[in-house]
Amino acid sequence: EPEVTQTPSHQVTQMGQEVILRCVPISNHLYFYWYRQILGQKVEFLVSFYNNEISEKSEIFDDQFSVERPDGSNFTLKIRSTKLEDSAMYFCASSEEGEQFFGPGTRLTVL
Amino acid sequence: AQSVTQPDIHITVSEGASLELRCNYSYGATPYLFWYVQSPGQGLQLLLKYFSGDTLVQGIKGFEAEFKRSQSSFNLRKPSVHWSDAAEYFCAVGFMEYGNKLVFGAGTILRVKS
Repeated sequence: EPEVTQTPSHQVTQMGQEVILRCVPISNHLYFYWYRQILGQKVEFLVSFYNNEISEKSEIFDDQFSVERPDGSNFTLKIRSTKLEDSAMYFCASSEEGEQFFGPGTRLTVL
Repeated sequence: AQSVTQPDIHITVSEGASLELRCNYSYGATPYLFWYVQSPGQGLQLLLKYFSGDTLVQGIKGFEAEFKRSQSSFNLRKPSVHWSDAAEYFCAVGFMEYGNKLVFGAGTILRVKS
């Protein structure tokens, strides 16, 4: 069964550093998403991406964040200058329409 | 703004007892509706979904949910809970006209006592 994969599973970085979180969506899906979940809190939408452009983004997704689909398979989330409050689990998801399939997540720890 | 409310932060049930987890949403039209389960440190697993049609939907692991338009609710039920059901449960709604984003509720932590 096809699945969404994410790498790395855990990333530790120093405050102010750039990080790139990687996702491989399900191959025939057209919509891609990033969500985050701060420890003990609910899952929050960050951004959706369709047809090589952002279709919707939340207030959280400020200028420090960017997304890219650099080739036909990867979907990346970049945080330019990480802050302590960026520490969270980041989930990638993809969909055709409706149901979104989630990856296992990347736990980002900012020290 | 769209919102999802799960009024119960924690619920404890005895193994073998029935379960109902509540979910209400605020939105002008009928969105897509989902229930996800998350075990500690794990990702999100889809239990069931509602797009249209029959308002009682069946999911995996013996779960079901009923969509009630008049109450803007999508409550999750299971007739007999197993110890392995202990986890956190998230209700989510999807909005096609907002980039198909999902809005999640705050979650309900289910504890199962033997």
